[in-house]
Amino acid sequence: DSGVTQTPKHLITATGQRVTLRCSPRSGDLSVYWYQQSLDQGLQFLIQYYNGEERAKGNILERFSAQQFPDLHSELNLSSLELGDSALYFCASSVGTSGRQGTKNIQYFGAGTRLSVL
Amino acid sequence: GENVEQHPSTLSVQEGDSAVIKCTYSDSASNYFPWYKQELGKRPQLIIDIRSNVGEKKDQRIAVTLNKTAKHFSLHITETQPEDSAVYFCAAIPPGGYNKLIFGAGTRLAVHP
Repeated sequence: DSGVTQTPKHLITATGQRVTLRCSPRSGDLSVYWYQQSLDQGLQFLIQYYNGEERAKGNILERFSAQQFPDLHSELNLSSLELGDSALYFCASSVGTSGRQGTKNIQYFGAGTRLSVL
Repeated sequence: GENVEQHPSTLSVQEGDSAVIKCTYSDSASNYFPWYKQELGKRPQLIIDIRSNVGEKKDQRIAVTLNKTAKHFSLHITETQPEDSAVYFCAAIPPGGYNKLIFGAGTRLAVHP
């Protein structure tokens, strides 16, 4: 167990709907990352939050948004869902973040939320 | 932006053989290179990582080598076992990237008894 908790484990919904995925980071971790894993796209970085503030964005669609709350848990909101949004969504956390070169921060992944859009 | 290419996409070996997975990255300023193992239906788990100021790192049967000049790094697994069967992802953190991981496409390793 990585200590990163994601809920729900599975989500089945219809096209056009909106869903919210939740992530609780490991105790003490301030940084949360969201990744999307689909069969044809591999693991894609979506967005990162650090201590409540957005820090980096990847190829996240405008229909998707996220936030990190004062208790450091994060939510990923997916709206106007399309069939192609079906994927595994992972959350990861790390102690901190760094814009300086040469610094590493191990990311621990949650078990993921499997989203199926029918 | 940073791009990571990973080869091969699938790898099949006999138990006890060695396995090598190679990745190349595009941004010469990238400085941290982790490897993750993902078993079917499970989360990616970090198995080993290397920083840009180190050429090689070893942990029991697993080793990673980094060639900064050629911008490539490799995962070496010796004495493979059936439980090594999984998808392996390499990744890189680009400079100024606030720690976001750019992943390779993954290698599906099958170890046959």
